[in-house]
Order: sequence, then C-alpha cells, then structure tokens
Amino acid sequence: EVQLVESGGGLVQPGGSLRLSCAASGFTFSSYWMSWVRQAPGKGLEWVANIKQDGSEKYYVDSVKGRFTISRDNAKNSLYLQMNSLRAEDTAVYYCARDNDHWGQGTLVTVSS
Amino acid sequence: QSALTQPASVSGSPGQSITISCTGTSSDVGGYNYVSWYQQHPGKAPKLMIYEVSNRPSGVSNRFSGSKSGNTASLTISGLQAEDEADYYCSSYTSSSTPWVFGGGTKLTVL
Repeated sequence: EVQLVESGGGLVQPGGSLRLSCAASGFTFSSYWMSWVRQAPGKGLEWVANIKQDGSEKYYVDSVKGRFTISRDNAKNSLYLQMNSLRAEDTAVYYCARDNDHWGQGTLVTVSS
Repeated sequence: QSALTQPASVSGSPGQSITISCTGTSSDVGGYNYVSWYQQHPGKAPKLMIYEVSNRPSGVSNRFSGSKSGNTASLTISGLQAEDEADYYCSSYTSSSTPWVFGGGTKLTVL
C-alpha cells in the first residue's frame, strides 16, 4: 500500500524558514516523480513544485521560485521542501504527492506574527 | 485566478447524472491528454478519480467517467450517491513555466 506521511509543518513568523519532509513507503520511491501541492484555508489546490526521479529536474510555481527548494533522498525514501522567506500567503496545508496519483494527508504551515 | 475554469458549484439528486466542466487553453487541456480529476471530502486529502482524460484508477467506481473536447475537459458522475458530495478539481499538464495547473474546484451537492 502506498503511504506518504508529511511532517515539519507549524507556525512560523513572516520571513522565517521551515523544512517539510515526506516519508514514502509501499512503492519504489526512486521510480517516480514527486510533487508538493498546497491548499490555503478554504481555497483550492495549487501545485507548488516537483522533482524528477533522480533529482536532475525540478520545477516550481512562479510564486515560490527563489524561495522554496524541493529535494529528495532516494536512499531514505524521502521528499523535502525547504521553504525560506515565508509570507502570509504561503499559509496552507502542504501535500506530498507521488506523480500526482497518491497523496499524503498533508501538514499545515501557518505564517503569522 | 486559477489557470483552469470550473463552475463553482453543481448539484443533482440521487440517481441522476451530473457533468463538471474544466476549461483551459491549447497550452494545457487542449494540447495534452494529461487531464486528471480529483475528489476531496472536507478535511481529507484529494483522491485521484480520473487520469489522462478518461482513465479510472483501480478501485474507482465506473460511475465516474472523463472526456475532453477541444480546450474543455469534463467529469461525469452517473447514478449520483450521497457519498459523491465533495469538492472536485481538475488538473492539466501545461507548456507554461509551471508544468501543472489546477482548476478552482467545483462543489458538488447531492440534494
């Protein structure tokens, strides 16, 4: 069974940093593109970033370019999202997704003073 | 403003069929057969219902079907059931700098 478990969310002040993690199990992690998708409270889904199987290609939504970095460790079956210079508008539940077909339960990031 | 346009809400009675539209451009929906549909119940993670326009993942009811015509994709749910009440999102691959985009979501109410 595919399992994706996000962690690392929490309350952070504007301008601060946070690192999200996603632990994957139940499939060959190194064989799949992986993504982060977020959902602001009461709003729709927004694709944030994705990364190729070997980490050689990464793509980001314009609003996070230069602030967020997606990475992965295939030996640890883990996906990461380093978030810097956080803004209030980054407040959302962040989901880890395998190739957009299986999703974790999400972790809440709140950016507020 | 979302890249893909969906109606904010649709409704139907049990047993009826409804269709949710997802309108994009030739750079996304119209240009690629990489349209997916997701169902999301309150407080839950999205669940993939349709991928590559019209394919159902294993375990998804055959009451759910997808199609595409030009720049508009559609999700049809037949034989509506109470448990179908949820938010539905479409997504598409796009040739823009952001490779994946979502629609704004449609709230389905089963009357």
